[in-house]
Amino acid sequence: AQRVTQPEKLLSVFKGAPVELKCNYSYSGSPELFWYVQYSRQRLQLLLRHISRESIKGFTADLNKGETSFHLKKPFAQEEDSAMYYCALRGGGYQKVTFGTGTKLQVIP
Amino acid sequence: DAGITQSPRHKVTETGTPVTLRCHQTENHRYMYWYRQDPGHGLRLIHYSYGVKDTDKGEVSDGYSVSRSKTEDFLLTLESATSSQTSVYFCAIRGSTGNLSGNTIYFGEGSWLTVV
Repeated sequence: AQRVTQPEKLLSVFKGAPVELKCNYSYSGSPELFWYVQYSRQRLQLLLRHISRESIKGFTADLNKGETSFHLKKPFAQEEDSAMYYCALRGGGYQKVTFGTGTKLQVIP
Repeated sequence: DAGITQSPRHKVTETGTPVTLRCHQTENHRYMYWYRQDPGHGLRLIHYSYGVKDTDKGEVSDGYSVSRSKTEDFLLTLESATSSQTSVYFCAIRGSTGNLSGNTIYFGEGSWLTVV
């Protein structure tokens, strides 16, 4: 079975402060990990995926297989970063994608 | 833009009535999904399809059925709506053609369903 855990329902930070959204996963094989962002009442949008190792909107995430984590980080939060963030996992050989319960990021001006 | 359209976008219905949500895609993607989004639960997979007339259950399939008679349309039906099915429903596809990244899920804009 595959599982994604996002332990924080809400994360509040001040503008300019560093951000870390936590994601832990459980999967026996080699997973693909994703971060999605959802702005108020909009569709979910792909933010980044671990295999591309890119930085989008200043966000980065590194897959740590030893700790089974894929935390999302940004050094300086901006007000426009306020949104819901979902971590997701796709197990190999099967098209099912499992999402975490999401973390709401609130950036305080 | 993954070319996904959901309809209706908003609907209020009464308990016990049937409801069908439609997902339409224009880019010939093989895999399509229906998720529901609820506070505290995130997104949960209801049903998915891996081809025309090929569908399977997700983690919260009770009370829902789906059909895919052609590649571009994936229908989600609530046979007899209940208040617990009040939710936001998202259709999604797995990128496989054109400019979309493979193995990445792309979402529609959502359908807000209220069962009273």
